[in-house]
Amino acid sequence: ELKVEQNPLFLSMQEGKNYTIYCNYSTTSDRLYWYRQDPGKSLESLFVLLSNGAVKQEGRLMASLDTKARLSTLHITAAVHDLSATYFCAVDMGGSQGNLIFGKGTKLSVKP
Amino acid sequence: NAGVMQNPRHLVRRRGQEARLRCSPMKGHSHVYWYRQLPEEGLKFMVYLQKENIIDESGMPKERFSAEFPKEGPSILRIQQVVRGDSAAYFCASSPFAVASPLHFGNGTRLTVT
Repeated sequence: ELKVEQNPLFLSMQEGKNYTIYCNYSTTSDRLYWYRQDPGKSLESLFVLLSNGAVKQEGRLMASLDTKARLSTLHITAAVHDLSATYFCAVDMGGSQGNLIFGKGTKLSVKP
Repeated sequence: NAGVMQNPRHLVRRRGQEARLRCSPMKGHSHVYWYRQLPEEGLKFMVYLQKENIIDESGMPKERFSAEFPKEGPSILRIQQVVRGDSAAYFCASSPFAVASPLHFGNGTRLTVT
């Protein structure tokens, strides 16, 4: 069975701290996406990672992909309250276009 | 450029009724996808459509669910004879072409079956 596992599922951090969210997947893929979802809202695309060793950064977030380990990480640097949201990774397992397998999400709460 | 537009935002149906969810993709996007999200879960792929064609419906339940994307007008996800287990958020997404571009999601329709 194709699986995408995120951990942790819940993360409470203080402002200013660093932390990493992990996304493991069960089969070969070289396309991985990170999305952010605010409560009751839609999903916003954060990063598209398309090759082994890909690293992308936007503000306080940095995402990387290791296709050999089947692992992606989302690193948060010096967290601020505005980063509070649920973060999803999604993997293209080689099926049809747009048929992504999503993790369950990591609910991040950044406290002052 | 308007984003992906879904309506209604909230839909309440009694068991046995029909639910129709509408999605207009972003301008210039010809690929539409429907996903379902249960509470505290990630999104589950349902169907991928292009104009007048269903490309991949591997995630659609075999009964009661259907989807279309006509030549003119929005894509429609139709659920017949709804049951309580159909209560979920249904998201539509679109993309411009069949390469590894990120999906652009709408705000979703939250279906509640009473």
